[in-house]
Amino acid sequence: DIQMTQSPSSLSASVGDTVTITCRASQSINIYLNWYQHKPGKAPKLLIYATSSLQSGVPSRFSGSGSGTDFALTISSLQPEDFATYFCQQSYSTPISTFGPGTKVEIK
Amino acid sequence: QVQLQEAGPGLVRPSQTLSLTCTVSGGSISSSDYFWSWIRQPAGKGLEWIGRIYNSGTTNYNPSFKSRVTMSVDTSKNQFSLKMTSVTAADTAVYYCARDSDTSGYSRYNWFDPWGQGTLVIVSS
Repeated sequence: DIQMTQSPSSLSASVGDTVTITCRASQSINIYLNWYQHKPGKAPKLLIYATSSLQSGVPSRFSGSGSGTDFALTISSLQPEDFATYFCQQSYSTPISTFGPGTKVEIK
Repeated sequence: QVQLQEAGPGLVRPSQTLSLTCTVSGGSISSSDYFWSWIRQPAGKGLEWIGRIYNSGTTNYNPSFKSRVTMSVDTSKNQFSLKMTSVTAADTAVYYCARDSDTSGYSRYNWFDPWGQGTLVIVSS
């Protein structure tokens, strides 16, 4: 199985900050990497697919980059509604997907 | 806009069978080309993909669950279901249903959207 790791596991940031979350795959997954936002008690929300494509309706302050084994999700100018947990998902080994453990973004 | 909602018992006894359904609204399972997945998250752990089903009944299962999991689809009710046998405390988790983006069955361009809100299943005597 392809293992996914994320760093950091949590971070504290202020409104207006730019934050970057990284996701690493245990082997090359090309660009088959997706990012989600998850708030407690709510359905996870797709933010970015195929490494850098912004899902319809997602604010442009979210961006994704990377290829191979190393990927990043950047949130520019953090907004109050962005405080949540973010996780990555690889689909290289589809239909079997594996997910990163998540990064919790908290208010400083 | 398609929405998904999980339903099922919140408590299951060890060694029994966990049964969940996912009701799809805002779209038809039978007239769409999507796969429909089950994903779970044990407390304090990461998400695990359990398996998926197509409207024809074609399934793909995660080998980690394959011997214990059965998925089915009821197009008349616009629902799909998960059954997991011989559950233990390790199966305690929030269970989510979600729609795959892939319509071919083999594309690596595959993500989950939308998801249900999830339902907590506790395995305990």
